[in-house]
Amino acid sequence: EILMTQSPATLSVSPGERATLSCRASQSVSSNLAWYQQKPGQAPRLLIYGSSSRATGIPARFSGSGSGTEFTLTISSLQSEDFAAYYCQQYNDWPPEHTFGQGTKLEIK
Amino acid sequence: QVQLVESGGGVVQPGGSLRLSCTASAFSFTTYGMHWVRQAPGKGLEWVAFTRYDGNTKYYADSVKGRFTISRDNSKNTLYLQMNSLRAADTAVYYCAKDAEGLDAAFFFDSWGQGTLVTVSS
Repeated sequence: EILMTQSPATLSVSPGERATLSCRASQSVSSNLAWYQQKPGQAPRLLIYGSSSRATGIPARFSGSGSGTEFTLTISSLQSEDFAAYYCQQYNDWPPEHTFGQGTKLEIK
Repeated sequence: QVQLVESGGGVVQPGGSLRLSCTASAFSFTTYGMHWVRQAPGKGLEWVAFTRYDGNTKYYADSVKGRFTISRDNSKNTLYLQMNSLRAADTAVYYCAKDAEGLDAAFFFDSWGQGTLVTVSS
């Protein structure tokens, strides 16, 4: 059973600054890691897959990195529309006991 | 542009049943695996079930195994989730989500519906 742990639970950052969100897997998931953004009242949106590939239409300020058990989502210069919840998801082990991390809420400082 | 529209949510008593539907358009539904993912109020995302593009392979989360059944009608471009023996813990917004890869599923989700709320309460 692979557990996904995201940190921090809440991150406060000022607009224009860089945000760094972390996701850790309890065992290796290779590069089979996706990131999603979810705004209040909306469905999640795919941002990153394969650890570092941006999904269609995702701005270049979003970048992903990592492999194995340690992953990072970086937002280089925060825009007002980026304040949201972010979830990582492993898809290396299927069907999973758990596939999503618990989420990081990115809030305005 | 891919469109997924869920319906069928509502209020149901514990032990009751409900069937959710998800109507798909603007992509080749018959060649993609499909998922249900849910989100309890104020909580994170939980994957629920998957069906392969042809309906021949299905997977379920342990939390719903034996109670929920995923199915699809490719002639109607529609995905279903039959939910039986519902519990309070099943209260959530239920999203249908399209697998990112055709035929051989990748098990991540590149398009989501807007969700339908299921409330299990007496």
